[in-house]
Amino acid sequence: NAGVTQTPKFQVLKTGQSMTLQCAQDMNHNSMYWYRQDPGMGLRLIYYSASEGTTDKGEVPNGYNVSRLNKREFSLRLESAAPSQTSVYFCASSEAISGRGELFFGEGSRLTVL
Amino acid sequence: SQQGEEDPQALSIQEGENATMNCSYKTSINNLQWYRQNSGRGLVHLILIRSNEREKHSGRLRVTLDTSKKSSSLLITASRAADTASYFCALRGGAQKLVFGQGTRLTINP
Repeated sequence: NAGVTQTPKFQVLKTGQSMTLQCAQDMNHNSMYWYRQDPGMGLRLIYYSASEGTTDKGEVPNGYNVSRLNKREFSLRLESAAPSQTSVYFCASSEAISGRGELFFGEGSRLTVL
Repeated sequence: SQQGEEDPQALSIQEGENATMNCSYKTSINNLQWYRQNSGRGLVHLILIRSNEREKHSGRLRVTLDTSKKSSSLLITASRAADTASYFCALRGGAQKLVFGQGTRLTINP
């Protein structure tokens, strides 16, 4: 049982390049999330998907797009990377957006934008 | 903002001692959760306490919630080196999305 799997684990981009972070979960969860973690800032929600077919903006969505490809997969795309997007990105999933709502996290994707 | 404010930001204690971390917030909540993050790893859920609960236990963990003071505390008893990590409180309010605090870095010295 892999839980939440993120790829790639590390990536270095140049300003203006694009890339997609992939996330997949095997727990049959309905809801999925993308967070970014910066020193001293805690985790901030970028986008989330309450259920398959829906996506919504979180606290810091600017510069990002997401796709809920199917129930298992939720990708995060940077169309034109900026140094301010240097961060550690975490994907998470939960059974539902409401209720108990315990989140299961991936191991993170460390992105550096030069 | 619904974000929890954690205190202290960093805590260093000797192995075997108890560690207490606090989380304060400003809005009403449905539940409050605590997570642990080991260095370079993802977050792991520790315990959830609902707004109508005052205390919960899980192994060496004890969580309290005081909704009148809008605060929660996480107590780790008989600390071990393996407890060295960052600990985050996370709030689930009316908007249903989970909002994380900035975390407490706990160091257990041998």
